[in-house]
Amino acid sequence: SAVISQKPSRDICQRGTSLTIQCQVDSQVTMMFWYRQQPGQSLTLIATANQGSEATYESGFVIDKFPISRPNLTFSTLTVSNMSPEDSSIYLCSVGGGGLGTYEQYFGPGTRLTVT
Amino acid sequence: GDSVTQMEGPVTLSEEAFLTINCTYTATGYPSLFWYVQYPGEGLQLLLKATKADDKGSNKGFEATYRKETTSFHLEKGSVQVSDSAVYFCALSSTDSWGKLQFGAGTQVVVTP
Repeated sequence: SAVISQKPSRDICQRGTSLTIQCQVDSQVTMMFWYRQQPGQSLTLIATANQGSEATYESGFVIDKFPISRPNLTFSTLTVSNMSPEDSSIYLCSVGGGGLGTYEQYFGPGTRLTVT
Repeated sequence: GDSVTQMEGPVTLSEEAFLTINCTYTATGYPSLFWYVQYPGEGLQLLLKATKADDKGSNKGFEATYRKETTSFHLEKGSVQVSDSAVYFCALSSTDSWGKLQFGAGTQVVVTP
């Protein structure tokens, strides 16, 4: 498996502001993803973070709202921009590939965001 | 498109009872199947996986068998403990969208002493 950390673990933010979430993994991985888990709900994929190129966004998610960076094979950031209360969720990064096996993904502990 | 359907919760059990959580899927190609567990206040942990038909994944007393004929991947445990109280997610990753996980809605399991 992999050791994945996220910062911050939680935050309370005011509407209209932005928050950048960091994801760090302890080994080089091929794939990094960002998911959103709204209260009491399942996980929804936001985007695939591509190393050295623009992220690939899923339907319903756009770069202006959720800009993503991935400067190397162990680190990625997700920014939640111009936040509203509807953005209150847990944001999770996950990693796969590299030395982790072909199929499975491993998740970070999540960032619990509350927007007031 | 791909989808995962799992039984609704909450499922409430007494300690040492038998647990089954049903999961069925729809996918193109030959997906890999997973069960993840989320303990209260924590992130997701990979519980077990199966990558081809008839594979059985197992971990921590939990088992699930990849049944292609019924497109199912039901999770079972013979004797649950209070510490098994969590939300369980069934998920798949299909061959034409490698790496992207499609999750079921999740099933909350509550085990009482």
